[in-house]
Amino acid sequence: SQTIHQWPATLVQPVGSPLSLECTVEGTSNPNLYWYRQAAGRGLQLLFYSVGIGQISSEVPQNLSASRPQDRQFILSSKKLLLSDSGFYLCAWSVQGGGQPQHFGDGTRLSIL
Amino acid sequence: SQQGEEDPQALSIQEGENATMNCSYKTSINNLQWYRQNSGRGLVHLILIRSNEREKHSGRLRVTLDTSKKSSSLLITASRAADTASYFCATAASGTYKYIFGTGTRLKVLA
Repeated sequence: SQTIHQWPATLVQPVGSPLSLECTVEGTSNPNLYWYRQAAGRGLQLLFYSVGIGQISSEVPQNLSASRPQDRQFILSSKKLLLSDSGFYLCAWSVQGGGQPQHFGDGTRLSIL
Repeated sequence: SQQGEEDPQALSIQEGENATMNCSYKTSINNLQWYRQNSGRGLVHLILIRSNEREKHSGRLRVTLDTSKKSSSLLITASRAADTASYFCATAASGTYKYIFGTGTRLKVLA
């Protein structure tokens, strides 16, 4: 069966520090991969999605970036965090093709001090 | 801006009652999906209804879709305390891989 792992579960970082959140998927090949951010009590904002290795689409201008170095690995990064980067970050995967059900990790709660 | 908007924003019911939440969207879609999110966790896919379907059932869940009104509803019958969660609709515009999630309905089922 397929599983998705996201870590760390919680992270507290100072303003201006770098960030690296990692997401890996097991049990499937060539998935679509997604990064979302969720503000407290709000819906999900799509940040990045990827349909293949090295293929990243950015949805929102920001100081975050994403990379997909391997088929089932998706990394969210920042060189210098801002206070506004606080939030709940969720990684998800789906099988190839548009409009497929998404499967989410348990998220990373990021607090910027 | 979010394409999907759910209402109500919050709903509190007694165990055993039915819960209905609604979702509206703006553009043409291939399908509409409903997800559940327990507090502090990731989202779990519940049900998918295609644009050429009007109603779909899965266990205690019933989803309807009205493409002329660009709206959908999720009905949870005979609710249980374990159904307490936030519920989101999500749409992907035709021909895209981008999912737009609504703002969610927070459901509380009282035992």
